[in-house]
Parts: sequence; structure tokens; C-alpha cells
Amino acid sequence: QVQLVESGGGVVQPGRSLSLSCAASGFTFSSYAMYWVRQAPDKGLEWVAVISYDGSKTHYADSVKGRFTISRDNSKDTVYLQMNSLRTEDTAVFYCAKESTVTTYSYFYMDVWGKGTTVTVSS
Amino acid sequence: DIQMTQSPSSVSASVGDRVTITCRASQGVSSWLAWYQQKPGKAPKLLIYTASSLQSGVPSRFSGSGSGTDFTLTISSLQPEDFATYYCQQAHSFPLTFGGGTKVEIK
Repeated sequence: QVQLVESGGGVVQPGRSLSLSCAASGFTFSSYAMYWVRQAPDKGLEWVAVISYDGSKTHYADSVKGRFTISRDNSKDTVYLQMNSLRTEDTAVFYCAKESTVTTYSYFYMDVWGKGTTVTVSS
Repeated sequence: DIQMTQSPSSVSASVGDRVTITCRASQGVSSWLAWYQQKPGKAPKLLIYTASSLQSGVPSRFSGSGSGTDFTLTISSLQPEDFATYYCQQAHSFPLTFGGGTKVEIK
């Protein structure tokens, strides 16, 4: 079945870096855009970044632009989120999600989500 | 940025009730809107996309309507498994934005 499994979360000090991974299975990974969405404790959902199915296009939330980088390796069916210069306000559960529509970068709906990985930024 | 405002922020309802949640965009998003359901400790689940299209596998008691700036999610007959938080999301332009959520609680 279609599955996304995030990893790489943990506790990190402000200003440090962390890299998240999301391993996909059960679908043709290279045909779908992929997302990162986060949720701070007891807060709502916040879109973080998206990468096109071929990795040629990316977009970021203003709150992470210049600090976070989304990338993908279609040979490994994995999407990544490199997070630098972390701040306490980045503390959240980070979800990886799959685009609902194949080989497009114009429909931005997330139809499959991972269970999330928790990032805590604290001194 | 397009701001998404949901109302109410919470609603108490009983099994069998009809529940309507509203989402308003700060500028027109045409029909580029989705609704998600999230249960505590779980990942969100896509219910509706392009404002009114039912995602595969989602019960038909869920429906969406609207275009432009005003949208609604309706649960025609609330079931025990529907108690959750619901979010709208605009897919019209970057940055993608979510509403603040509406928690549907048991009366």
C-alpha cells in the first residue's frame, strides 16, 4: 500500500541543523510532487515546502525560506528536508505528504501523509 | 499571502446532526480549495479537493461547496468517527495556506 515514513527528528539546539528524510513506497515516487507540512504543539497545520516530481521546481514558506532546503532522490524514493539555523519556533511535528495528481506542478493537494517526525528546538 | 479563516473554531454536535463549517479566503481562490480531517495524534486526511470533489474512499456524508472566497464543508449526518479537527487549505497560489481549524466535539 502507499506509505510514507519520516525519520530524522530529534532534539537540537537553536542555531543548529537537522536533516529529515521521508521514504516512500507503494507508488511511482518519481511521478509525484512531494510536500513537507508541520504542526507546532497544539497548533494548526503550516505548509513548509514542496518539490516537483522531477526536482526541478521548489517553493517554500516565508518562515523557512533561506534556512530550509527540500530535495529528492528519485532513485531512492526519498524526499529530504535540510533544516539549518533552527529556531525555537521551528519546534513541531513534521509531516511528509504526497501530491494527489500525477506528473503535475499545478494541483497542490496532499492525498497521502506520513505519521510525522518530531523536531524539538531547545537549549 | 492568502489568509484562510475558518468558523466556527469549535462546534459541539450530536451523532446524526448536520454540521457545516465555513472557510473564507482573503482573496479569491477560484475552486482551488481542499478540506482535511485530523484526529488527535494522527496525520491529516484529505476529504475534499477542488472545493467539491470527494476524495476516493471518503464517505458521501461529507460534501464541499463554494468558490471564490467562501466555502463550506458539510457533514450531513455526524458519525462517531467524525469527531475531529477539520482544516481548509487553499491551493491557488504560494504560499499554500491552511485555515486555523474547526474542532468538532461531542455534545
